[in-house]
Amino acid sequence: QVQLVESGGGVVQPGTSLRLSCAASGFTFSRHGMHWVRQAPGKGLEWVAIIWYDGSNEYYAESVKGRFTISRDNSKTTLYLQMNSLRAEDTAVYYCARANEGAAGDYWGQGTPVTVSS
Amino acid sequence: QLVLTQSPSASASLGASVKLTCTLSSGHSNYAIVWHQHHPEKGPRYLMKVNSDGSHNKGDGIPDRFSGSSSGAERYLSISSLQSEDEADYYCQTWGTGLWVFGGGTKLTLL
Repeated sequence: QVQLVESGGGVVQPGTSLRLSCAASGFTFSRHGMHWVRQAPGKGLEWVAIIWYDGSNEYYAESVKGRFTISRDNSKTTLYLQMNSLRAEDTAVYYCARANEGAAGDYWGQGTPVTVSS
Repeated sequence: QLVLTQSPSASASLGASVKLTCTLSSGHSNYAIVWHQHHPEKGPRYLMKVNSDGSHNKGDGIPDRFSGSSSGAERYLSISSLQSEDEADYYCQTWGTGLWVFGGGTKLTLL
């Protein structure tokens, strides 16, 4: 069955960096685009970024553009999110999700929490 | 601007039915949307894609109690024979060129 397992979250100070990982299994990873979606405390879901199945294209939400970078290693079936210049407003649970046509996830991970605080 | 609008809350009784609404912004009434279910402390779950003509395609293992429909710029999620596990947050989501958008979510409470 499809499994997505995020890791790498934690507590960091403003202005620092963090890299999230998402290990995928149970499907042909190299055939699917992948999303990152986040949920801040008490807020709704917010789309963060997408990467094409072959890594040839990426899109970002305005709130993270220029600070976050999505990438993937198809040989390791792993998705990444490099987060730089972190701000308090980046505090959220981060989910990876498999893209399916326009869906920002037909399968989702359980999420990894990120807290940005001094 | 591509925006989805949902009522923040809805309530219904166990065993009853409920219809949640997601409204597309002006100029986007022909867009398809996707419904996701989200229980706190768990990952979201894909429910279905709802097209502008009302046709819908459900995700793996989604019960027949869940269905989708459309009217104009509104997209609906209907749940019948409500069960305790249906108490959750429900998000609609759509997409444009280089942009994916979520509605604010509807918290469904079972009475």
